[in-house]
Amino acid sequence: QKEVEQDPGPLSVPEGAIVSLNCTYSNSAFQYFMWYRQYSRKGPELLMYTYSSGNKEDGRFTAQVDKSSKYISLFIRDSQPSDSATYLCAPRAGANNLFFGTGTRLTVIP
Amino acid sequence: DTGVSQNPRHKITKRGQNVTFRCDPISEHNRLYWYRQTLGQGPEFLTYFQNEAQLEKSRLLSDRFSAERPKGSFSTLEIQRTEQGDSAMYLCASSPLAQETQYFGPGTRLLVL
Repeated sequence: QKEVEQDPGPLSVPEGAIVSLNCTYSNSAFQYFMWYRQYSRKGPELLMYTYSSGNKEDGRFTAQVDKSSKYISLFIRDSQPSDSATYLCAPRAGANNLFFGTGTRLTVIP
Repeated sequence: DTGVSQNPRHKITKRGQNVTFRCDPISEHNRLYWYRQTLGQGPEFLTYFQNEAQLEKSRLLSDRFSAERPKGSFSTLEIQRTEQGDSAMYLCASSPLAQETQYFGPGTRLLVL
């Protein structure tokens, strides 16, 4: 079993839709939960992260972590064509390396 | 630009050749990480430095791979006797000592023919 499972998509939504991206993980030691966005042929860029369970909101983006079910979510409200990218969840345990999901490729259609 | 930089951005080589990539982290970032990303997959951890000390290596890092970070500044990743399976994007990331955020460079895309 992989450390992190993520539906690779692809996912296509119309502009303005609410997008839900999800991951599950198996390692109980994970404490930090990152979401990265990666455009084609570019390096990942950090969108946001949460520590332990709970919600965190940043503009149109909301990250949720449920450690009891080992479930990570990212919601995008009022999605825009510029949000079209691959979204990678990446939990970590302490100050160590990240464990990335496969990434979900999102396309927002104008 | 004060972000993480990587050179070269692209490299095409023949099987059996050696290649070396360079990563320049964000200034004063003590931690430096190397990851490898193949098409359709997320990045996979290869190795990690704190200053000049290499603290962790993934089992993905075979004996053909070697990484260095002399003086705790830039880092190099060398692949000897390249194989077609080494074709991937090689990503470098850095982070400050006391924080959790890793900042990624643009990557070096390697194609082994």
